[in-house]
Amino acid sequence: SQKIEQNSEALNIQEGKTATLTCNYTNYSPAYLQWYRQDPGRGPVFLLLIRENEKEKRKERLKVTFDTTLKQSLFHITASQPADSATYLCALESSNTGKLIFGQGTTLQVKP
Amino acid sequence: DAGVTQSPTHLIKTRGQQVTLRCSPKSGHDTVSWYQQALGQGPQFIFQYYEEEERQRGNFPDRFSGHQFPNYSSELNVNALLLGDSALYLCASHEGPVYEQYFGPGTRLTVT
Repeated sequence: SQKIEQNSEALNIQEGKTATLTCNYTNYSPAYLQWYRQDPGRGPVFLLLIRENEKEKRKERLKVTFDTTLKQSLFHITASQPADSATYLCALESSNTGKLIFGQGTTLQVKP
Repeated sequence: DAGVTQSPTHLIKTRGQQVTLRCSPKSGHDTVSWYQQALGQGPQFIFQYYEEEERQRGNFPDRFSGHQFPNYSSELNVNALLLGDSALYLCASHEGPVYEQYFGPGTRLTVT
């Protein structure tokens, strides 16, 4: 069956360190993968999109990698700040349909 | 430029009742998707509307129905509410080829 899995446990790190979040999927062949940030009680906010033919994408302190052989994406936040504390969701698009399939999200807590 | 808006913000209904949630997409967007997000979970795709027609549907019963109007705004209707329908309902919009989706703030539905 198709699955998208993210670290279910919350990730607690110290301010200034690099946070690394993992997204694994099975039985999908996505054309691209997206990462979203969600704050409590709010809608997800788009962060980055990476295509299947791209190995790495960067935006300011954010970096995403996409390994279609391992069926895994890694999301990095460098020089993390308390304001980065949120839940981060990865999402795959199913067969060019516009139907996004989300992981369950990983909660990141950055401590000062 | 207004982003995606949803109404109402919160709603409390009794089991067996019917509810209608509303969404206005971001300016220039012609496609609207609806998601259900239970506490601690990622959003789950309900359906998508384009050119006033349901284009894609997730694994939700027929109690969930929708509509898109000529101005691209959309409604989500849920009949015969169950306690398990309590969730955050998110609307997202995008235009043309599917890349990032823009989410509204959501409607928190509580069924008692």
